[in-house]
Amino acid sequence: DAGVTQSPTHLIKTRGQQVTLRCSPKSGHDTVSWYQQALGQGPQFIFQYYEEEERQRGNFPDRFSGHQFPNYSSELNVNALLLGDSALYLCASSSERGGLYNEQFFGPGTRLTVL
Amino acid sequence: AQSVTQPDIHITVSEGASLELRCNYSYGATPYLFWYVQSPGQGLQLLLKYFSGDTLVQGIKGFEAEFKRSQSSFNLRKPSVHWSDAAEYFCAGIPMNSGGYQKVTFGTGTKLQVIP
Repeated sequence: DAGVTQSPTHLIKTRGQQVTLRCSPKSGHDTVSWYQQALGQGPQFIFQYYEEEERQRGNFPDRFSGHQFPNYSSELNVNALLLGDSALYLCASSSERGGLYNEQFFGPGTRLTVL
Repeated sequence: AQSVTQPDIHITVSEGASLELRCNYSYGATPYLFWYVQSPGQGLQLLLKYFSGDTLVQGIKGFEAEFKRSQSSFNLRKPSVHWSDAAEYFCAGIPMNSGGYQKVTFGTGTKLQVIP
């Protein structure tokens, strides 16, 4: 049983560009959350998708947007990249059946570097 | 402001020695509390969580944590550390009844080094 997978592993972009990161949830999971982890910091919640809708959102600007597909996979899009967007982006999946605080399973992350 | 603090950035212990990682929280009411582990190249893995009830919580991989309201602490412990425990450990908190993970706050992490 594959766990949470993310692609690509690493990505280098320049300021002002746009980027799309992808996540496939663990089998049987229907909820996907995205986190940003800057170097030396703990993760910060960006948003959560359930039933193809953004259900919860953290304190991130509208430059950060997402999408969830019918197969529960998800994308994170970041527009107008800033140097400060350089971070490890983590995807986490969970099952709605377990409730809002059900255990999240994390992928290995995508390392984004903005030059 | 709601926060979770991990006072130790880096800890070194000998294999077989006991371990305690500190976590302090600052919330208006008792939050939900979590400990995660992050190994290089891997995502976070949940070790244990505290929502209510017994203040001593057992987790995976032989870890346990004790919730102490009087000290606003939720320290992680392991009686005997193995070399494979070398990783970074994160404490996290969520305000009770906040409706999900949107208000989760992670500490800055403690990096554990295990020496032979």
